[in-house]
Amino acid sequence: SQKIEQNSEALNIQEGKTATLTCNYTNYSPAYLQWYRQDPGRGPVFLLLIRENEKEKRKERLKVTFDTTLKQSLFHITASQPADSATYLCALDNSGNTPLVFGKGTRLSVIA
Amino acid sequence: NAGVTQTPKFQVLKTGQSMTLQCAQDMNHNSMYWYRQDPGMGLRLIYYSASEGTTDKGEVPNGYNVSRLNKREFSLRLESAAPSQTSVYFCASSEASGLVYEQYFGPGTRLTVT
Repeated sequence: SQKIEQNSEALNIQEGKTATLTCNYTNYSPAYLQWYRQDPGRGPVFLLLIRENEKEKRKERLKVTFDTTLKQSLFHITASQPADSATYLCALDNSGNTPLVFGKGTRLSVIA
Repeated sequence: NAGVTQTPKFQVLKTGQSMTLQCAQDMNHNSMYWYRQDPGMGLRLIYYSASEGTTDKGEVPNGYNVSRLNKREFSLRLESAAPSQTSVYFCASSEASGLVYEQYFGPGTRLTVT
């Protein structure tokens, strides 16, 4: 069956360290993968999109990798800050059957 | 430029009651979506509209109907609410339904069915 797994429900990290979040998928062949941020009580906000032929994408302190062999995307936040605390969702396409399919998210807490 | 707006923000229904959740976007987007988000289940697609005049089922369409009223508005109707429909509902839009397009989400509607 198809599955998207995000490493853990919650991740705690010290301020200034690099946070690494994982998105693994099974029985999908996505051409694209997106990452979103969701704050409590709000809708998700788009952060980054990476295509299957791109190994890495960066935006300020954010870096995303996409390994179609491992069926995995890694999302890094360098020099993390308490303001980075939120839930991060990965989403991928389902080969045209339906629009984006979302993972359950990882709740990141950056501790000062 | 308000982005995606949803009404109401909160709603409590009794089992069997009906209601319509409203969604509007002012970004001239072609595609619109309805999701529900439940603890431990993540975001699940209920229905979507790739363009004005079309609607398609998503992962969890049972118990819901939708109307793409015009390019701006996409409503979600619960004909006979059930406790299992207690959830947070998000509307989203994107420039087109191509998978390269990011989605813009509304603030959500918290629905409780008793």
